[in-house]
Amino acid sequence: GESVGLHLPTLSVQEGDNSIINCAYSNSASDYFIWYKQESGKGPQFIIDIRSNMDKRQGQRVTVLLNKTVKHLSLQIAATQPGDSAVYFCAENMGNYGGSQGNLIFGKGTKLSVKP
Amino acid sequence: GAVVSQHPSRVICKSGTSVKIECRSLDFQATTMFWYRQFPKQSLMLMATSNEGSKATYEQGVEKDKFLINHASLTLSTLTVTSAHPEDSSFYICSARDGRGGKDTQYFGPGTRLTVL
Repeated sequence: GESVGLHLPTLSVQEGDNSIINCAYSNSASDYFIWYKQESGKGPQFIIDIRSNMDKRQGQRVTVLLNKTVKHLSLQIAATQPGDSAVYFCAENMGNYGGSQGNLIFGKGTKLSVKP
Repeated sequence: GAVVSQHPSRVICKSGTSVKIECRSLDFQATTMFWYRQFPKQSLMLMATSNEGSKATYEQGVEKDKFLINHASLTLSTLTVTSAHPEDSSFYICSARDGRGGKDTQYFGPGTRLTVL
């Protein structure tokens, strides 16, 4: 079946460095993508989103890149801080395609560890 | 962003009892809410989609008679785990669908840690 997957299950970076978390998706009908951050024992927190008609979107210290040609999504975190340590999930939304009610399909998650 | 609350944050119950978890969208109306289950170090698993005023749609393998969902208003959905057993112990998370501005974003509650003894 189609699914969203991640290339790297764990990522360790030095404080102050930039982090890049990658995600591959296989559903070409997906038109909306979201990155979530989940800290231990908490619910996922919305970070940034992007529609399929865009290839880049920037937020505060975060940038999401979308490459529809190779079905690849990435999250870039600038000047990574200890507070960025968490598990990051990408999610794709197929809207109403195939009877979906806007369900999100989550990737497996990447654990980001920031070393001081 | 949008705020979604969940109550209780954690609950411990005896085997055979029922537990109700509430999910509320605090600053927006949500015609659709979702219930997820998450095991340690794993991703979120969608259990069911809750639509205001209609029956919930359950994912394959999720027992609808065991996990009762009620979406009585545009800001409240409840999940009741009936006759809970130790294998039901998990982290349950709800989300509310925000379609404002033409987007289709889900905002998540803080989760409920259920432990069944």
